[in-house]
Amino acid sequence: DQQVKQNSPSLSVQEGRISILNCDYTNSMFDYFLWYKKYPAEGPTFLISISSIKDKNEDGRFTVFLNKSAKHLSLHIVPSQPGDSAVYFCAASGGFKTIFGAGTRLFVKA
Amino acid sequence: GAGVSQSPSNKVTEKGKDVELRCDPISGHTALYWYRQSLGQGLEFLIYFQGNSAPDKSGLPSDRFSAERTGGSVSTLTIQRTQQEDSAVYLCASSRQGSMNTEAFFGQGTRLTVV
Repeated sequence: DQQVKQNSPSLSVQEGRISILNCDYTNSMFDYFLWYKKYPAEGPTFLISISSIKDKNEDGRFTVFLNKSAKHLSLHIVPSQPGDSAVYFCAASGGFKTIFGAGTRLFVKA
Repeated sequence: GAGVSQSPSNKVTEKGKDVELRCDPISGHTALYWYRQSLGQGLEFLIYFQGNSAPDKSGLPSDRFSAERTGGSVSTLTIQRTQQEDSAVYLCASSRQGSMNTEAFFGQGTRLTVV
């Protein structure tokens, strides 16, 4: 039972263009959503989050959009940079327990 | 260091042996989590410690898995009679509050290979 789904295992984008990473969830009780970034041989690092009472949160080049009616969130990175190449995990939190998606590997080509 | 530290970074063990994985959380963080990532999968919740409260063990996949946290700081995850399906990267994370709604910090993980 995958409560958090990232249907695209990988994404390739040209440097300078927009990267859009998508995530779907099934449980309407989640009240907080997070994105983490993971480089090889390192643990995930927190990137950006959004409360369920909001529909957008922006931090520099990163913006997260939440569509609660569709149970969908997305991460936009613009402009994309080669250093953004990593695996991105979407996560949904209800209380303390956080459920992670399978991740999307982003390749940003120079 | 100031981050979450896990040891060992890599562990190869024979099927049937017991292993212990260690996590040193960030000082002052009351919440500690164990997750694991199998090949091609997302992060699977295993266990959660918050202060002196009883841990939430609901994610442990079998009774071969156990974890403890001594003195509210260091945690060890023990896997008894390891099986090949236990092979994964085991990640520890800590956060200041008892919720991952706030930023959680992950260690670099322990890559466990059962042969």
